[in-house]
Amino acid sequence: GENVEQHPSTLSVQEGDSAVIKCTYSDSASNYFPWYKQELGKRPQLIIDIRSNVGEKKDQRIAVTLNKTAKHFSLHITETQPEDSAVYFCAASDSNTGKLIFGQGTTLQVKP
Amino acid sequence: DAGVTQSPTHLIKTRGQHVTLRCSPISGHKSVSWYQQVLGQGPQFIFQYYEKEERGRGNFPDRFSARQFPNYSSELNVNALLLGDSALYLCASSLEVNSPLHFGNGTRLTVT
Repeated sequence: GENVEQHPSTLSVQEGDSAVIKCTYSDSASNYFPWYKQELGKRPQLIIDIRSNVGEKKDQRIAVTLNKTAKHFSLHITETQPEDSAVYFCAASDSNTGKLIFGQGTTLQVKP
Repeated sequence: DAGVTQSPTHLIKTRGQHVTLRCSPISGHKSVSWYQQVLGQGPQFIFQYYEKEERGRGNFPDRFSARQFPNYSSELNVNALLLGDSALYLCASSLEVNSPLHFGNGTRLTVT
């Protein structure tokens, strides 16, 4: 069945460093790839997304890259800040269903 | 603008009981989806509704059911509760079936 693998499960960086989270997906029909940030006890918040007709998308300190051939996509956060500390989830879906398959999550800790 | 609203925020039930969770989407959003999030894991897809029609169903038993009303709000029903149903139930709305999802704060269900 459809599957999304996410790595690493935990990531600790110093403030100002970059953080990279990687995901792979199994369903070649997937064409939409969002990233969500979830702080403790709060709802998942959409931070950036990319569709399969684009290879890279950037929004200030956040960027996402997509390699459709290899079926993997990555989240890049530059100049990390303590408020970036949270659990990050990648997800994949195809446009026909809108059903999101989530990765297992990455707990990012940014040390001041 | 109000985001996705869910009620109740917390709920404690006993095994065998049933529960109804409610969700109001963002104004103008026609699609509502339900996800179950067990502690430490990514959300898992339960249902998607669009224009009152079920558009997708995840790998959950028939004890789980849902519906969408003419005003696009939605209810998730779970019968014969099991201990394993304890989780955060997230509702998400989107403009269309394949538009970005916006999550509510969730209902924390505890089954004892």
